[in-house]
Amino acid sequence: GENVEQHPSTLSVQEGDSAVIKCTYSDSASNYFPWYKQELGKGPQLIIDIRSNVGEKKDQRIAVTLNKTAKHFSLHITETQPEDSAVYFCAASRTGNQFYFGTGTSLTVIP
Amino acid sequence: GAVVSQHPSRVICKSGTSVKIECRSLDFQATTMFWYRQFPKQSLMLMATSNEGSKATYEQGVEKDKFLINHASLTLSTLTVTSAHPEDSSFYICSARVAQTGDGYTFGSGTRLTVV
Repeated sequence: GENVEQHPSTLSVQEGDSAVIKCTYSDSASNYFPWYKQELGKGPQLIIDIRSNVGEKKDQRIAVTLNKTAKHFSLHITETQPEDSAVYFCAASRTGNQFYFGTGTSLTVIP
Repeated sequence: GAVVSQHPSRVICKSGTSVKIECRSLDFQATTMFWYRQFPKQSLMLMATSNEGSKATYEQGVEKDKFLINHASLTLSTLTVTSAHPEDSSFYICSARVAQTGDGYTFGSGTRLTVV
């Protein structure tokens, strides 16, 4: 099956700085890579996703890059704000199949 | 957008009793729903996959007789924790596949179960 690794497990940045979270996956057949933000006591919320036919996707301050050859993808958050503080999960899946989640990154943005 | 409503958000029950958690897709039909369990500061662990009108598929190590899943309609899946024990205390989250988009999955807000 798929194995998704995520680093770092914790990340602290100053407000306004950028944050980068990286994930690797093992199944070359995986073709969908979403990123979720989870606040304390709540369910995960999709913040951005990318499919295997695209190398990069951007949505305002959030971007995701995918390197299919190396089997890794990254989340980039620019101009971080305190409300970006949360746990972020990456995931990988084949279309229509179950998600395999990374272990999560706890991001703290220091005002 | 696609919304999944999960209830209750919090429940406390006594050991030995059963608890039902509901997951409803509000504005779309969910042919497939997933149930996850999440321990504090850990990732989401897939427990089972439920498909409307058929039996759920359980992940290895998950007791199907303890965690009963029913997906009787295209908008509702339920997870019943039977004969609950303190070790069943956890955060349970459902997600539904948005059939129209194929890839998109929407998560419920989760249920914090505490067994005393």
